[in-house]
Amino acid sequence: GAVVSQHPSWVICKSGTSVKIECRSLDFQATTMFWYRQFPKQSLMLMATSNEGSKATYEQGVEKDKFLINHASLTLSTLTVTSAHPEDSSFYICSASAAGPIIYEQYFGPGTRLTVT
Amino acid sequence: KQEVTQIPAALSVPEGENLVLNCSFTDSAIYNLQWFRQDPGKGLTSLLLIQSSQREQTSGRLNASLDKSSGRSTLYIAASQPGDSATYLCAAVEDDMRFGAGTRLTVKP
Repeated sequence: GAVVSQHPSWVICKSGTSVKIECRSLDFQATTMFWYRQFPKQSLMLMATSNEGSKATYEQGVEKDKFLINHASLTLSTLTVTSAHPEDSSFYICSASAAGPIIYEQYFGPGTRLTVT
Repeated sequence: KQEVTQIPAALSVPEGENLVLNCSFTDSAIYNLQWFRQDPGKGLTSLLLIQSSQREQTSGRLNASLDKSSGRSTLYIAASQPGDSATYLCAAVEDDMRFGAGTRLTVKP
């Protein structure tokens, strides 16, 4: 149980285009989903927290107009990188929690490798 | 703001050795501490979760300890195997989850 999937697993896009990444909880309802990014040999950095049906809460320094997050249902959250640039190339990982915004357990997706050329 | 540090950044050991990975955190008011494994280009696999009221957790060859007062946790891997080669991340959980930068472990056959 507690499986989280991400799609796509990797994507290459041209600079200036937008890319959408999906995060799904397959066997539980995720009241809260989290989006992280990870640069090579660095740790995961929380980008934003989203609760189903409400606006995402972004961490300081994360541009909310560039990284659009939608959490339209209890099993799906999407991250759209708008007008992507090479510096947005990174590994994006989502996680999902059934326990709400106070985190006791998160279940992580397999990640999406984004390369912007 | 919680800061999590992992030492060493990289570790290479011969197969069969026992080893210890270290994690320290600055704010002891945590709900729990978790250890994860990350293979190259992959997501995170949860290994052990230690609640703030606990001192250790064990799963197979893995044992994790927690000392909240000193802001430290250790992950002990017994009888290491080449398949243990991966990056190990610890994360301190308060109202969010703060990760360390990880320890890259290589176990040589």
